[in-house]
Order: sequence, then structure tokens, then C-alpha cells
Amino acid sequence: DIQMTQSPSSLSASVGDRVTITCRASQSIGTYLNWYQQRPGKAPQLLIYAASGLQSGVPSRFSGSGSETDFTLTISSLQPEDFATYYCQQSYNNPITFGQGTRLENK
Amino acid sequence: EVQLLESGGGLVQPGGSLRLSCAASGFTFSNYAMSWVRQAPGKGLECVSIISRSGDSTYYAASVRGRFTISRDNSKDTLDMQMNSLRDEDTAVYYCAKHSSGQTTYNWFDPWGQGTLVTVSS
Repeated sequence: DIQMTQSPSSLSASVGDRVTITCRASQSIGTYLNWYQQRPGKAPQLLIYAASGLQSGVPSRFSGSGSETDFTLTISSLQPEDFATYYCQQSYNNPITFGQGTRLENK
Repeated sequence: EVQLLESGGGLVQPGGSLRLSCAASGFTFSNYAMSWVRQAPGKGLECVSIISRSGDSTYYAASVRGRFTISRDNSKDTLDMQMNSLRDEDTAVYYCAKHSSGQTTYNWFDPWGQGTLVTVSS
């Protein structure tokens, strides 16, 4: 199985900060990497697909980059609604696997 | 509007069985692969089962293989998962999710249902 490792596991930041979350795959996955946001008590929502595609309706302050084994999710200027948990996911092969999550907290 | 509505969760004793269902609407169900993803309390996401658009290909996480069975009825726009021999560690919120294509890989999950809670406890 492909292992996905996110860092950091948790992060404290303030409104207006620029934030970067990284995700590393245990083998090359091309650009078959997606990012999800999950707010407490809610289902995950797609943010970024295929490493850098911005899902419709998602604010442009979110961006993704990377390929092969190393990927990043960047929030250019944190907004209050962005404090949540973020997950990366590889869909290169089955079983589809997720990173362990990065909890973004308000400093 | 694309909607997924899970049902069937509840409290079950260890060793027991439960059947989850996901009712889909707002899209051509038979064109898309589907998955069940679970989240144990306070933990991350685990994709436990995947089914192709036609239902002829299925995949399972090692943690549930041989105990869970995913299926779909394209005439009724429903996705099911039969869960047998349930264990304490199967306690989780179970989400159904629509793939972005008919393939089981090379795509993404959008949207997800609201989830249904399965509690395995004596």
C-alpha cells in the first residue's frame, strides 16, 4: 500500500498568515494527489484535485503543487473559516490511502 | 444537486452484522465508481471499500477484507455495504463518496455523504 505522510500533524496560525502543509508519498504517484478540508462534525470536502486543480467554489487563496512523491497545500491568507483539518489522498492505485491529517488551529 | 444519503448505522454487539446503504441522487449513478470511507472517533480517514461503476471490480482495505462486502444497484441508485463479524475497532462514522469518474483510481471523491455512525460495543 502507498503510505501518505503529512507534516506537520498540527499547526497554529493566525488570520492573515500564509500556511503550507506538505504531503509525501511512499512511492511515485504522478499527480494523483487530492486535498480535502474537514470541519468538526462535518464530512470532508474536496479542495484540490490532481495536485493543483482548484475545485469549483473553493476560494483562490487555496493552491496545490507538487508531483511524484512531494506535494504541498498552501493557504495564502488564512481566514477564520479555514481553521479545520486537512487531508491528502492518493488515488494512483488501490487501496486509496489518506495522510494522517493536519489540524490547523487558531493561535 | 448531487446528494448522497447514508443510512443503516447504529449500535451492534461485537461479532454482529450491519448493512449500510447510500442513496444517490442528482447524477447518473451508473457512470461513477463509489467508495465507503470511515473515520474512527478522533482519528483520520480510511477508505475501506471501493466499487467500479459496473460493480464488477471491488477493493477492500486489509482491515475489513473478508468481513465487509460492497455492492451497488444501478437500477435503484443505491450503494450498500454489508458488514459482518464486527469488531470494536470498526466503530466509526461511515461516509459514502462519489468518485469523479467510473474508474476506481486516478480520480477524486466529491461529494461525500453526511455519514452514518456505527458503534460496536457490548
